[in-house]
Amino acid sequence: AQSVTQLGSHVSVSEGALVLLRCNYSSSVPPYLFWYVQYPNQGLQLLLKYTSAATLVKGINGFEAEFKKSETSFHLTKPSAHMSDAAEYFCAVSETGGYQKVTFGTGTKLQVIP
Amino acid sequence: ETGVTQSPTHLIKTRGQQVTLRCSSQSGHNTVSWYQQALGQGPQFIFQYYREEENGRGNFPPRFSGLQFPNYSSELNVNALELDDSALYLCASSPRGAGAPLHFGNGTRLTVT
Repeated sequence: AQSVTQLGSHVSVSEGALVLLRCNYSSSVPPYLFWYVQYPNQGLQLLLKYTSAATLVKGINGFEAEFKKSETSFHLTKPSAHMSDAAEYFCAVSETGGYQKVTFGTGTKLQVIP
Repeated sequence: ETGVTQSPTHLIKTRGQQVTLRCSSQSGHNTVSWYQQALGQGPQFIFQYYREEENGRGNFPPRFSGLQFPNYSSELNVNALELDDSALYLCASSPRGAGAPLHFGNGTRLTVT
């Protein structure tokens, strides 16, 4: 079964600093990879999606992620953190088999310090 | 377009009772998935419905069951509630396809006492 590992359950950055959230996946074939964001008391919202068209994927709110097959990684970055980026971020992988099962990581809570 | 809506938003039940959660999918989406998110955890896949049939299931016991209706809305039923069933239950709709992103509702917070 495919899985994702998110390193660091909590990450703190200063406002204006680089945001780096780490995700490694396990898959025997190129998967579909996603980053979702969850604000308190809300559902998950798609930030970006990798579908093999390009290794650098740009998403909403200035986030981007780079697919590195050699490292089985799909880390999320943003050049300059904003207070509104404080939320929980989930990396996810989709099965490529007969039905659409998305497997989520355990999440990384991002704190932005003013 | 109308997004995914779930009802109720909060629910408190007693151990052993039964509960039904409801979800209206986003217009144009024919696939509905249900996830359980325990406090401090990532969402765990319960099952997926397509064309009114369950076509994929995660590691959840049979007392978790569901339905999908012709208008693609869905229900999640949980029988014989246990304390560990306390969680946020998320419904997500999508077009069919492995790479299609999920569109989530805001969830139903279930507390079992």
